[in-house]
Amino acid sequence: GAVVSQHPSWVICKSGTSVKIECRSLDFQATTMFWYRQFPKQSLMLMATSNEGSKATYEQGVEKDKFLINHASLTLSTLTVTSAHPEDSSFYICSARDLNRREGYEQYFGPGTRLTVT
Amino acid sequence: LAKTTQPISMDSYEGQEVNITCSHNNIATNDYITWYQQFPSQGPRFIIQGYKTKVTNEVASLFIPADRKSSTLSLPRVSLSDTAVYYCLVGGNRDDKIIFGKGTRLHILP
Repeated sequence: GAVVSQHPSWVICKSGTSVKIECRSLDFQATTMFWYRQFPKQSLMLMATSNEGSKATYEQGVEKDKFLINHASLTLSTLTVTSAHPEDSSFYICSARDLNRREGYEQYFGPGTRLTVT
Repeated sequence: LAKTTQPISMDSYEGQEVNITCSHNNIATNDYITWYQQFPSQGPRFIIQGYKTKVTNEVASLFIPADRKSSTLSLPRVSLSDTAVYYCLVGGNRDDKIIFGKGTRLHILP
């Protein structure tokens, strides 16, 4: 099956610094990737849709200047949390669509990145 | 995107069959129904997808009535390792973003 990887799997950073999280589709191409955030005991919350070669589309309430998304190739999207604060501590998950899938719809999810801001 | 409603939590015992029902009254003609499983601190994992009637794979079965306004995920002979959150999602366009509902927290008891 299709595999999506994320790096790093966990990261601890100091308040005010920036952190970059990578999302890669390993064995398929994805023009669209999605970024989610999940707090403990809660569901996944869609943050933004990452489109290869164009600007990301952010969900309402998500600060685009704080969460910078770059989708530079068909297999890589990055999320940069700028000037991180403790309230940004969360589990960040990306997903990707298989460009060549013709029927139904399915997203393949990465394993997630645990961000802790101290 | 069709809104889905599913039970917040369920308990069952090892070896039992577990059925989780999801309501999606506003499902569109071209929408598929997909179920995901999520363990703590992991990304969601695809379980099964269907459009109508019944779909079965090595992990689960998905039952969809003719009106498609609901669906039931059936997990045969569950084990402790099936304790997880299960999400029912509905959508059809290849560019559809997936909006997660609250999911069903399934707890399997020994």
